Amino acid sequence: EAQVTQNPRYLITVTGKKLTVTCSQNMNHEYMSWYRQDPGLGLRQIYYSMNVEVTDKGDVPEGYKVSRKEKRNFPLILESPSPNQTSLYFCASSSSWGSYGYTFGSGTRLTVV
Amino acid sequence: QKEVEQDPGPLSVPEGAIVSLNCTYSNSAFQYFMWYRQYSRKGPELLMYTYSSGNKEDGRFTAQVDKSSKYISLFIRDSQPSDSATYLCAMTLEVLIFGTGTRLQVFP
Repeated sequence: EAQVTQNPRYLITVTGKKLTVTCSQNMNHEYMSWYRQDPGLGLRQIYYSMNVEVTDKGDVPEGYKVSRKEKRNFPLILESPSPNQTSLYFCASSSSWGSYGYTFGSGTRLTVV
Repeated sequence: QKEVEQDPGPLSVPEGAIVSLNCTYSNSAFQYFMWYRQYSRKGPELLMYTYSSGNKEDGRFTAQVDKSSKYISLFIRDSQPSDSATYLCAMTLEVLIFGTGTRLQVFP
């Protein structure tokens, strides 16, 4: 089954403790992206990657890092999480940049206390 | 001004009603216009997409784009309780930009 898999689904952590949210897709998509979803603000793009070793900032990149060493994986790294990063995070992939066919993961609900 | 504006709702309608969901946008260069549906505790899933002005129909769903007015709509006919979800409009130029979503509840 074609899918984007995120882990973990739920995470509670403390301020300052580094964490990684993993994202993997099995569709051989070139384009991958991370979004955060907050009430009243909708989905906002954090980082995106057009291909292996090619990443760029989205609208809200502060406090996040990403890497794209393999085509299928696009982890999101929070080096020093803060409470304002408490949110619902989604990874998405697409066969090409700027197209319509985005597939989303099921989300990671992160709480930073 | 946000690039994409969407009425947040919530909308509550009886089963069988016709539902109209709307978005306006400011950038005339947007290429694809999409509607995503998001069930609770799930990721958004693509419902419909179009790239030209006019209507596109898929079963009970009709997507409408009016590029001259910078306005898109999603119509749901004969709405069902299973349609209860948040509906997000989205548009692409180089990246995907979402509206804030409209929560819809269809009650039996």
